[in-house]
Amino acid sequence: KNEVEQSPQNLTAQEGEFITINCSYSVGISALHWLQQHPGGGIVSLFMLSSGKKKHGRLIATINIQEKHSSLHITASHPRDSAVYICGGGSNYKLTFGKGTLLTVNP
Amino acid sequence: GAGVSQSPRYKVTKRGQDVALRCDPISGHVSLYWYRQALGQGPEFLTYFNYEAQQDKSGLPNDRFSAERPEGSISTLTIQRTEQRDSAMYRCASSPGGPANTEAFFGQGTRLTVV
Repeated sequence: KNEVEQSPQNLTAQEGEFITINCSYSVGISALHWLQQHPGGGIVSLFMLSSGKKKHGRLIATINIQEKHSSLHITASHPRDSAVYICGGGSNYKLTFGKGTLLTVNP
Repeated sequence: GAGVSQSPRYKVTKRGQDVALRCDPISGHVSLYWYRQALGQGPEFLTYFNYEAQQDKSGLPNDRFSAERPEGSISTLTIQRTEQRDSAMYRCASSPGGPANTEAFFGQGTRLTVV
C-alpha cells in the first residue's frame, strides 16, 4: 500500500465546475504539500499546510490531521487548470508523494 | 536566476555511459533535494542535502547513483554506467529551510533517456 493515496486518478470536468481532489496518507507528516504539474512537465508548489485551510485565488486546500486526509478544491474550473495535481508530505526533510490526479477541464 | 535551474533539460545517452545532471537552487536556500519521476508516478525521493552535507541518500537506487553539493549551492547528480531503467525525469528542488515547514521549489527537471 502506498503511503500517500490520491483519488480520483483521473478527473474530467466541464468549465465552471467545482473540483475536489482527495489525498489520504498513512505516513506521519508535519506538513502536506500540493503541487501542480503542467503538461509541459514543470512543477509549481500550490500549498503547504499543516492544519486547517488555505486559499489562493480559486484554489482551496484543507487538511484534517486526525483523519490524515487533505482535499484540494478548485472553484469555477477553467481549461487552464488542466494539469496533474500531486499531494505529498513528510516529517523532517523527506517528502513522499502520491501518483497524482490528472485533471482535464473541457471548455 | 529567480527559480531552481536544472541542466540539461533533455539528455539522451547510450547504455553504459555516465551522465551528470546539474541543479542550481534558489540562492540562499539551505535544503536541496533530488527526486526521480517515472511516467504516471509522483516524484520519488532520492537524496537530501542540508548545505553541503548529504544527510540522506537512502532513496538512491544503487551505488551507480551519487550526488554532491560541494559548496552548499550547485548540486550534481551522477549516474554511472547508465541502464535503460534509469530513464526518467530527474527533478531537483530547494527550500529555504527543511521541507517540513517551508515550501519546496522545483526545477523544470532533466528528462533522461537511456537508449
